Amino acid sequence: NAGVMQNPRHLVRRRGQEARLRCSPMKGHSHVYWYRQLPEEGLKFMVYLQKENIIDESGMPKERFSAEFPKEGPSILRIQQVVRGDSAAYFCASSPPLSGYTDTQYFGPGTRLTVL
Amino acid sequence: AQTVTQSQPEMSVQEAETVTLSCTYDTSESDYYLFWYKQPPSRQMILVIRQEAYKQQNATENRFSVNFQKAAKSFSLKISDSQLGDAAMYFCAYRRRQGGSEKLVFGKGTKLTVNP
Repeated sequence: NAGVMQNPRHLVRRRGQEARLRCSPMKGHSHVYWYRQLPEEGLKFMVYLQKENIIDESGMPKERFSAEFPKEGPSILRIQQVVRGDSAAYFCASSPPLSGYTDTQYFGPGTRLTVL
Repeated sequence: AQTVTQSQPEMSVQEAETVTLSCTYDTSESDYYLFWYKQPPSRQMILVIRQEAYKQQNATENRFSVNFQKAAKSFSLKISDSQLGDAAMYFCAYRRRQGGSEKLVFGKGTKLTVNP
């Protein structure tokens, strides 16, 4: 049973470019979460999605950031016009639906974004 | 808003000895989950142990156990018979059990060094 998959593992972008980060949840998991980890910090919640729905985006910056989880395919975290402050590790986690509420979140290996 | 505090930025332990990592949290909820995640140098987030707040019995997983004090809002992790492979960042995390946001709230982490 494959774990949560994220790609790319490392992504380098110049200021002003777009970054697309992909996350494939574990088989049978329909809930996806994105977190950001700045250097020397813990993980900070960004967004929680279910298939075709954004459930909670309270941690997403209001501009330049968007996320989707289509009916088919991976979840995508998109950062437009990247700035140096976007440099961080971005983690995706997934969980299964269980008795009407979700259980433990399992994390992918993360994507390390570097903005030059 | 819920907060998680890890007051020990760094800890060290001798191989085969026991170490305890501290975590306190603040919440007005009565039903929630608590987690400890391990992040080795590979940066992969690995679930170590979880505790349901409604359970009085402390969770254990092999050499890992917790001391959950609900009234004090304390959730410490004890690692027995420490091994070199236990060296990592350890993050304490909180999540409400049902209803509303499913997000994990993380502490800033404790860096554990294991000395041979």
